[in-house]
Amino acid sequence: SAVISQKPSRDICQRGTSLTIQCQVDSQVTMMFWYRQQPGQSLTLIATANQGSEATYESGFVIDKFPISRPNLTFSTLTVSNMSPEDSSIYLCSVEPRRTYNEQFFGPGTRLTVL
Amino acid sequence: GENVEQHPSTLSVQEGDSAVIKCTYSDSASNYFPWYKQELGKGPQLIIDIRSNVGEKKDQRIAVTLNKTAKHFSLHITETQPEDSAVYFCAASPYGQNFVFGPGTRLSVLP
Repeated sequence: SAVISQKPSRDICQRGTSLTIQCQVDSQVTMMFWYRQQPGQSLTLIATANQGSEATYESGFVIDKFPISRPNLTFSTLTVSNMSPEDSSIYLCSVEPRRTYNEQFFGPGTRLTVL
Repeated sequence: GENVEQHPSTLSVQEGDSAVIKCTYSDSASNYFPWYKQELGKGPQLIIDIRSNVGEKKDQRIAVTLNKTAKHFSLHITETQPEDSAVYFCAASPYGQNFVFGPGTRLSVLP
């Protein structure tokens, strides 16, 4: 498995501001994903972070609200823009390493509270 | 698209007893079925998975069974311990496609 770190681990933000979350992996990985987990809920895929090209967003998520970057095979960022209290969630990065297929490993998550 | 249901939503067992969580899926093209354990304040941890070419897989106290005909798969935990208390998520994935997660089961192991 891969070792995944996320920064920040938690944050409290004001309405209307933006927060950028970083995901760092200790080895090169084929795929990186961003998920949202609302309080007490399951995991919902936001987008697939593509290295060197635009992310692929799931239905209900748009680039203007959740811009994503992936400059290389070990790093990605997710920005939550123009935040509202409804954006309060855990944001999770996951990876699918090169040597395995379909197995996804998750980072520790970023706990976001929007006031 | 794929839809995954999971039951029960909450489960309480006495320490030492067995726990079983069941998931059903809708897309017959799904061929990969992982189980994740999420402890409070942590990210989900992959604990076991099964692919559609096998019917059962075991790893110490944890086992997963798959019934492709009925489109369901189950997680079995034997000799439960307090540290097994967590939220468990199942997922299903067709070849080369993204995961669809179940709603989760909150397992409490009572000492």
